[in-house]
Amino acid sequence: QQQVKQSPQSLIVQKGGISIINCAYENTAFDYFPWYQQFPGKGPALLIAIRPDVSEKKEGRFTISFNKSAKQFSLHIMDSQPGDSATYFCAASMTWGKLQFGAGTQVVVTP
Amino acid sequence: EAQVTQNPRYLITVTGKKLTVTCSQNMNHEYMSWYRQDPGLGLRQIYYSMNVEVTDKGDVPEGYKVSRKEKRNFPLILESPSPNQTSLYFCASSVRGNTEAFFGQGTRLTVV
Repeated sequence: QQQVKQSPQSLIVQKGGISIINCAYENTAFDYFPWYQQFPGKGPALLIAIRPDVSEKKEGRFTISFNKSAKQFSLHIMDSQPGDSATYFCAASMTWGKLQFGAGTQVVVTP
Repeated sequence: EAQVTQNPRYLITVTGKKLTVTCSQNMNHEYMSWYRQDPGLGLRQIYYSMNVEVTDKGDVPEGYKVSRKEKRNFPLILESPSPNQTSLYFCASSVRGNTEAFFGQGTRLTVV
């Protein structure tokens, strides 16, 4: 069973809108929560990551919100652009553990 | 340029014919892993390696083998491929399990 549950499976947002993707996990030993972005025909690439000692991390238009007590974290894409159209994966891992991925969210930003 | 290189990019093979997908990284990373990507299932780890001669099973290891004889190389071996192994495969490397993973371009495998 997947240790990281991701939703929604897909979303369509207008240019300039906000995209929100949510993830939930069960294993409290996870200490690293990255988000990966994947364009068609390419391998995933790290977008932004957070560790559980902070509740929010922002890099440009991308923000991770982390709720340790609820065991949930989310990715917010502000001012979404057509170039943000991609598949986004959340993940979680421990220091020497396996990187567990969510099922992915396909984001389409319409002009 | 820091990169993970997989070969081949595309492969069509027949059931039962042994094949190897190569993976090489030039970042001196200790941690390497293989994933398969299937629609609706995300990326699932097949095997991972924490260092030379140290490998362990991921979530879906059945039907696959790996070896780590050198730090930079981590080949994926399918001894007797079956159609349910048709998938998109990615190799990745990182310093540790909880640091940035760098992915290869992927290998699209079709087993008929």
